[in-house]
Amino acid sequence: AQTVTQSQPEMSVQEAETVTLSCTYDTSESDYYLFWYKQPPSRQMILVIRQEAYKQQNATENRFSVNFQKAAKSFSLKISDSQLGDAAMYFCAYRSAYNQGGKLIFGQGTELSVKP
Amino acid sequence: DGGITQSPKYLFRKEGQNVTLSCEQNLNHDAMYWYRQDPGQGLRLIYYSQIVNDFQKGDIAEGYSVSREKKESFPLTVTSAQKNPTAFYLCASSLKRGRETQYFGPGTRLLVL
Repeated sequence: AQTVTQSQPEMSVQEAETVTLSCTYDTSESDYYLFWYKQPPSRQMILVIRQEAYKQQNATENRFSVNFQKAAKSFSLKISDSQLGDAAMYFCAYRSAYNQGGKLIFGQGTELSVKP
Repeated sequence: DGGITQSPKYLFRKEGQNVTLSCEQNLNHDAMYWYRQDPGQGLRLIYYSQIVNDFQKGDIAEGYSVSREKKESFPLTVTSAQKNPTAFYLCASSLKRGRETQYFGPGTRLLVL
């Protein structure tokens, strides 16, 4: 079975600085998707970024980028120029590319605070 | 506006009572999902449906039931058999089964009186 681990329960960053959130996963599959979701105090899950395992190029979305290391099974999220609105719980998630119903497997989350 | 709606925002359940959480989407998505989130934890899959009139159990289906009579709707019933129902419930949908990104609704907070 696949598992996702986020080893940092809490992180803090100064406004305008850069922060990196860690995520590791365990799988025997070769084709899968990885996601970072943001959950602000409203508790709605918002997609931040997505990475396909077969793509070597790291995904980027404006101030958000990932460092995908397939061999190491690592998928970290870098937030540049941090803003107060980035404060939230961040979840890393895994999804098999094979037909398992599209189930997302989530890590425990990292709570990010942004200091003005 | 296109999106996923969940109602109610808050729901209170009495002992021995069944309650139903609503999830509706107008995105023309094929697949729909129900997740449960407990404090300080990630989400866990309860049920999912890839097409109308078909659904599958997820990792924690005991004490829950669903139906998928329409493509747009995927209600979740929390039965009296679910002994610890207090949690935050999130509905999600995706365009194609198995390969597309899931998008989430705003969630329902269920509390036991």
